[in-house]
Amino acid sequence: DTEVTQTPKHLVMGMTNKKSLKCEQHMGHRAMYWYKQKAKKPPELMFVYSYEKLSINESVPSRFSPECPNSSLLNLHLHALQPEDSALYLCASSQPRDSGNEQFFGPGTRLTVL
Amino acid sequence: GEDVEQSLFLSVREGDSSVINCTYTDSSSTYLYWYKQEPGAGLQLLTYIFSNMDMKQDQRLTVLLNKKDKHLSLRIADTQTGDSAIYFCADRGYSGGYQKVTFGTGTKLQVIP
Repeated sequence: DTEVTQTPKHLVMGMTNKKSLKCEQHMGHRAMYWYKQKAKKPPELMFVYSYEKLSINESVPSRFSPECPNSSLLNLHLHALQPEDSALYLCASSQPRDSGNEQFFGPGTRLTVL
Repeated sequence: GEDVEQSLFLSVREGDSSVINCTYTDSSSTYLYWYKQEPGAGLQLLTYIFSNMDMKQDQRLTVLLNKKDKHLSLRIADTQTGDSAIYFCADRGYSGGYQKVTFGTGTKLQVIP
C-alpha cells in the first residue's frame, strides 16, 4: 500500500465554522507533512511531524491546528478561517531519514472559505 | 533559504519534444524530483534523480542533472495532449528527522494538437 488518503476531497466552510482535515497512510512512515497550495503556485510547507512530534511550524497562524494522534494519522483542525485561506491542502508522508526516494503525497482537500 | 526556479510557461506541438528547465541553490540536496499536477488534482511524482547521477531515463522521460551548475532538466519525448499540466521540480534535503522538500515555481506545459 503506497497511498496517502485525505478526507474530505472538498470542503466549504464559513468563517465561524470549525472543521478538520484528515490524512492517513499505512506505509510505516514516521514523518508526515501538511502543505498549502494556492492556485498556480507551488506547495508551501506548513507543518512537519516526525515520530508523532511537531518538528516544524512554518509560522502558520493559530487558526490552523495540527494533530498527529498516531503514526498513521494526521489531522488539521480549522477554526475562524479567512477567505484567503482557501486553497488546496496537501498531506504527505516519508521516512524520517535521508533515504528512500520520495515523499508520498495525498490527492489533497480543496478548501473554500466563504 | 533554498531557492528553486523554473520558467513559467512552455508551449509545444503534439509529437515534438518538451524540455523543462530548473535551477536550484541548495548544494546539499540528495534527491531532485519532477512532479506533474493536472488542473484540480494533487501532485503526481513523475520521476526523480539521485544527486550523484547525471542522467536518468524512464520511457518518454529523460532527466539531466548538472550538479556543478545546479541545473536540472526534464525532457518529454513525443509530447502528447495528455502531458498538458504544470510541472514542478523539487529538491530534497534532510534536517533532523524529516525531509525538507523545496518546490520550484512550476512550469505550465501547453501541448497544441
